Amino acid sequence: RKEVEQDPGPFNVPEGATVAFNCTYSNSASQSFFWYRQDCRKEPKLLMSVYSSGNEDGRFTAQLNRASQYISLLIRDSKLSDSATYLCVVNNRYNFNKFYFGSGTKLNVKP
Amino acid sequence: EPEVTQTPSHQVTQMGQEVILRCVPISNHLYFYWYRQILGQKVEFLVSFYNNEISEKSEIFDDQFSVERPDGSNFTLKIRSTKLEDSAMYFCASTTGVSSYEQYFGPGTRLTVT
Repeated sequence: RKEVEQDPGPFNVPEGATVAFNCTYSNSASQSFFWYRQDCRKEPKLLMSVYSSGNEDGRFTAQLNRASQYISLLIRDSKLSDSATYLCVVNNRYNFNKFYFGSGTKLNVKP
Repeated sequence: EPEVTQTPSHQVTQMGQEVILRCVPISNHLYFYWYRQILGQKVEFLVSFYNNEISEKSEIFDDQFSVERPDGSNFTLKIRSTKLEDSAMYFCASTTGVSSYEQYFGPGTRLTVT
């Protein structure tokens, strides 16, 4: 079973739409959670860490559900510049210095 | 804003040759990582490095691979005898490791093995 699973998409949404992605993780010992974005042929860039209490950064909101072992990312008021692949990343308390990446969810925001 | 740098941006090599990929992590960061991403596939963890030794490594990181921090700034990945399947983008990343493991990635080295 994969450590981290994501719906590959693509999610095609119009500008201004709200879109949400989920990511499930298999290891109950998972400890730290992150969302990164990756543009085509570029490096992953940190979008936000995901905290137990949930956190928000402008139009982006991340949530963690430990009971169901998933994290989510909500993007409000989508911009054309949000078009990218969104990567879910986790580590766990036993291998805290080893990170598992999901395959990514592709978002296309259309005018 | 400090950033991770990597050289070269693109390396072409022949099968069986040795390559060294170079990275300069952010200066106050303590943990360093190498990842690879085969075209069209996901980012895969190779190795993490802390306090001048390997902290974790994946199944991919076999005896063909080695890492080194030869001085106070560089962090290198060596592939001893490259194979066609080593063709990929190689990313270096670093993090402070202090209360957070938020990683910052370099722009990558595209390795093409012919």
